[in-house]
Amino acid sequence: ETGVTQTPRHLVMGMTNKKSLKCEQHLGHNAMYWYKQSAKKPLELMFVYSLEERVENNSVPSRFSPECPNSSHLFLHLHTLQPEDSALYLCASSQDQGRTDTQYFGPGTRLTVL
Amino acid sequence: GDSVTQMEGPVTLSEEAFLTINCTYTATGYPSLFWYVQYPGEGLQLLLKATKADDKGSNKGFEATYRKETTSFHLEKGSVQVSDSAVYFCALRYTGGFKTIFGAGTRLFVKA
Repeated sequence: ETGVTQTPRHLVMGMTNKKSLKCEQHLGHNAMYWYKQSAKKPLELMFVYSLEERVENNSVPSRFSPECPNSSHLFLHLHTLQPEDSALYLCASSQDQGRTDTQYFGPGTRLTVL
Repeated sequence: GDSVTQMEGPVTLSEEAFLTINCTYTATGYPSLFWYVQYPGEGLQLLLKATKADDKGSNKGFEATYRKETTSFHLEKGSVQVSDSAVYFCALRYTGGFKTIFGAGTRLFVKA
């Protein structure tokens, strides 16, 4: 048990669908992250929130829209995705922004876009 | 820019063999260094970390030493088990940027 949960674990969607990924952390952390993990590519940082404010947005297409309603919850809203968006989407949290802070990851949502 | 380079996998070993996974980094500042592990069907989890030069991180029989002079953080284990089969990620992190830079990952297979 890592203290970070993600739902759903698997998601199949068409290119015209709208869906949302949910992440919840039970660790009392102040920072939350979305990463994309594709086969044979390094982990890609998508978004970072600190105390519910977005602090980093790494040139992610607008078809991905994050939301952080409180410090325990993070969403990733998806709409009009492309097949190349199929990947494992990982949520993570850390206590703060310190250089020694460990990130705690959820199990991921395996997304397939048809 | 800052980067982390890991040896390409997959690495295939027999049980009880010695493991080394090489990791080198390029950094403009003074980061902390991490090894994360990802077991099949799971997210990443911290394996060990070191926060300053010459520190040795260790956990579950794995070790890595922060070598500033060679900009390296190689992962070692004296005797691997089948349960160590996973993907291992080397990473660095600075203060203030929220950014952790990950290597591409090295897949390890351990045969019984």
